[in-house]
Amino acid sequence: SQKIEQNSEALNIQEGKTATLTCNYTNYSPAYLQWYRQDPGRGPVFLLLIRENEKEKRKERLKVTFDTTLKQSLFHITASQPADSATYLCALDLYGNNRLAFGKGNQVVVIP
Amino acid sequence: GAGVSQTPSNKVTEKGKYVELRCDPISGHTALYWYRQSLGQGPEFLIYFQGTGAADDSGLPNDRFFAVRPEGSVSTLKIQRTERGDSAVYLCASSFSGGGINEQFFGPGTRLTVL
Repeated sequence: SQKIEQNSEALNIQEGKTATLTCNYTNYSPAYLQWYRQDPGRGPVFLLLIRENEKEKRKERLKVTFDTTLKQSLFHITASQPADSATYLCALDLYGNNRLAFGKGNQVVVIP
Repeated sequence: GAGVSQTPSNKVTEKGKYVELRCDPISGHTALYWYRQSLGQGPEFLIYFQGTGAADDSGLPNDRFFAVRPEGSVSTLKIQRTERGDSAVYLCASSFSGGGINEQFFGPGTRLTVL
């Protein structure tokens, strides 16, 4: 069965530094991958989508890479701010109908 | 504009009872999704509607779970004979269309607690 793995340990990072999160997946070849942000008590919020033929995607201070050979996506938050503290989820579309399979999420804590 | 809304925000019930959870998607969004999220886990797909019909209900855990979307807008997730293991946050999302690649907009969720 397919598996989506994100680091279960929270990432504590100093304000201003770059936070890097990893999403690994197995037994699947997704056409694209998405990243969402989730704050406590709230639903996920879409951040970025990257397609299989794209190596890198940027949006403001966010950057996502996608390596289909390694089956891995990296998510970077540059110049991190305390307001970036949240849980970040990666998600794959399993069957091409936007039915998303999510990783467990990786919590980021930005320390002022 | 208004986002996806879900009611109630919290629901506490007793084992064996029936519950209904409601989702109001963003106006004009034809695709609607239900997910379930347990503590420390990512959302888990339950069912997907395209218009009024359930295009994919393969994520429903068993026949105690059922969802409807009779007019292609509001959806209700129904759980019969609730069990303690059903306790979770139930998330609803909508998107402009189920076909192609579309961003999903999530509601705040309904926290269901089965005692």
